[in-house]
Amino acid sequence: KNQVEQSPQSLIILEGKNCTLQCNYTVSPFSNLRWYKQDTGRGPVSLTIMTFSENTKSNGRYTATLDADTKQSSLHITASQLSDSASYICVVSARSGGGADGLTFGKGTHLIIQP
Amino acid sequence: SQTIHQWPATLVQPVGSPLSLECTVEGTSNPNLYWYRQAAGRGLQLLFYSVGIGQISSEVPQNLSASRPQDRQFILSSKKLLLSDSGFYLCASGQGSYEQYFGPGTRLTVT
Repeated sequence: KNQVEQSPQSLIILEGKNCTLQCNYTVSPFSNLRWYKQDTGRGPVSLTIMTFSENTKSNGRYTATLDADTKQSSLHITASQLSDSASYICVVSARSGGGADGLTFGKGTHLIIQP
Repeated sequence: SQTIHQWPATLVQPVGSPLSLECTVEGTSNPNLYWYRQAAGRGLQLLFYSVGIGQISSEVPQNLSASRPQDRQFILSSKKLLLSDSGFYLCASGQGSYEQYFGPGTRLTVT
C-alpha cells in the first residue's frame, strides 16, 4: 500500500531559526515528490517538485532534498519568518496512466514560528 | 499559471439539506479536475476526479456526487448532507502527474 509519513506532526521554533521537516514514503513506482505549504483556511501552494533524478531543489528560503534510494525527503527552512507558520504537506506521485495521477498525501507537519 | 476559483468560501448547512459547491478554472484548457476533502488534523482525501466534460471517477463511496458540465467547471453536490460531510473542500486542477494547483477551499459545517 502506498504511504507517505511526515514528521514531526507539529513543530514550534523561534523566528530566525532553521528547521527541517521529514517525509518518508513507500510509493511505487515513483514519479515525483512535491512539498506544499498550506496556510490555515487556505488551499495548498506548491513549494517544490522533484523527479527521480533530482536530489535538491530550492525555492527562496525553502530547500527540499530527495533520496530516492532510501525513499526519504526533507524540507529545510532557513531563517524562519512568522509567515512560515503553516502546514507543510508532502505529496508523492506514482507513475500512473489514470486520471487520479496516483497521488498519495502525507498528513502534514504543522509549523508554528514564534516571535 | 492557473487560477482556481471556489465558492462559497464558507457554508453552514443543516443535516439533510442539499449541497452545491462550485469550482472554476482559469489559465488552462482540458485540465484534470479534482475534489478533495480535508478533515481537521488529517490529510487530503481524494473524492472525485475528472479527465474531461461529463467524465467523473469516484474514489470513495459516499453520499456526494460530482459533475463537470463544462471544461473548466467542476461541481460537488449532495442531495442530503450528513454530519460527517463537514470539512474543508478543495478543488484542484492539473495536467498529468507533474503539477497540481489548488483553489482557496470551502469550509463546510453541517449542523
